[in-house]
Amino acid sequence: GEDVEQSLFLSVREGDSSVINCTYTDSSSTYLYWYKQEPGAGLQLLTYIFSNMDMKQDQRLTVLLNKKDKHLSLRIADTQTGDSAIYFCAESTGSGGGADGLTFGKGTHLIIQP
Amino acid sequence: NAGVTQTPKFQVLKTGQSMTLQCAQDMNHEYMSWYRQDPGMGLRLIHYSVGAGITDQGEVPNGYNVSRSTTEDFPLRLLSAAPSQTSVYFCASSYYSFYGYTFGSGTRLTVV
Repeated sequence: GEDVEQSLFLSVREGDSSVINCTYTDSSSTYLYWYKQEPGAGLQLLTYIFSNMDMKQDQRLTVLLNKKDKHLSLRIADTQTGDSAIYFCAESTGSGGGADGLTFGKGTHLIIQP
Repeated sequence: NAGVTQTPKFQVLKTGQSMTLQCAQDMNHEYMSWYRQDPGMGLRLIHYSVGAGITDQGEVPNGYNVSRSTTEDFPLRLLSAAPSQTSVYFCASSYYSFYGYTFGSGTRLTVV
């Protein structure tokens, strides 16, 4: 079955780059997503990448996809205190291309040190 | 444009009670889904719908029912609440999976 793995915690200094990693098992995944959840809030879509892409950049965010190793990463440049949150990696499931929901990792808590 | 609206935000139930968690979206999205979030477990899919009149089970459907009579609404029913259903429930919708899902702000449910 599908499985998405992430490390639970990442601690970085303010101003440094944060790199959050994710591995997935479903080779038929069409889209891969990064969501951000702040305390007490819902999930906010940060960015996504299509499975035929290797990289996507959006302002301070860079997503890298290694399809051979089924590895996805999210790099946040110049990490700020407002980036403190839980980051979820998610993949589209099954043959529906995401119509039948997403499979999420357990989330990575990003902790910012002053 | 309200996005995805979930009600109530908080609820306490006694074991054995039933209730309906409401979810409504005003974006004309075809795809809708329900997730539960438990500490250390991430989000797990309960039920999903690809359009009005079409629903299917996700990873953890037991104890929950859904229906989709309109494009806008996708309520989640707890038939007989159990303490194991204490969780935060999120509803999400999408026009097409390429754009990702938009999430509601969640319902925090406690079953005592």
